[in-house]
Amino acid sequence: QKEVEQNSGPLSVPEGAIASLNCTYSDRGSQSFFWYRQYSGKSPELIMFIYSNGDKEDGRFTAQLNKASQYVSLLIRDSQPSDSATYLCAVKAGGTSYGKLTFGQGTILTVHP
Amino acid sequence: GAGVSQSPSNKVTEKGKDVELRCDPISGHTALYWYRQSLGQGLEFLIYFQGNSAPDKSGLPSDRFSAERTGGSVSTLTIQRTQQEDSAVYLCASSFLIHPSTDTQYFGPGTRLTVL
Repeated sequence: QKEVEQNSGPLSVPEGAIASLNCTYSDRGSQSFFWYRQYSGKSPELIMFIYSNGDKEDGRFTAQLNKASQYVSLLIRDSQPSDSATYLCAVKAGGTSYGKLTFGQGTILTVHP
Repeated sequence: GAGVSQSPSNKVTEKGKDVELRCDPISGHTALYWYRQSLGQGLEFLIYFQGNSAPDKSGLPSDRFSAERTGGSVSTLTIQRTQQEDSAVYLCASSFLIHPSTDTQYFGPGTRLTVL
């Protein structure tokens, strides 16, 4: 079992729809969870992070965390063609104050006009 | 302000040669990380430096890989006797280390390494 799993997609949604991206992790002690967006040929850019159970909203983006189910998701409302990218879920292990992120393989999102 | 910078942006080398990749973190960031991204492998951790503490080298794939960070700022990743499987994009990230739960890493543009 991979430490961080994402559906590789591609996920295709129409413009204006809600895109839902999912991620599961195996280390129950994981503390912090990050979503990065990566355009083709570019480096990952941080969208948002979450570390408490529940929802966290930032503009059109909402991260959801359920530690009991070891599940984190990212919702993108009013999807735009410019949101088309690969979305990477990253997890920081518990028990270490700082350090490495473990990434999922990424979900390719396509928003079509 | 300026983000993380890396050089060179592209590097083509022959199998068996040594290469050096450079990373200049965001000013004031005390932690620096190296990752690599290759097709089929995703983004994998290599090494990280935290202030003056000993680096976490747990992700380095072999003893051909080494890294140093001079003066708490610029870092160099060295790959000796390069192999074709070393071909990947090498990404550097840095962070402030304000709080463990919310420490966020910001990535540089990467160095694309191609070993012929």
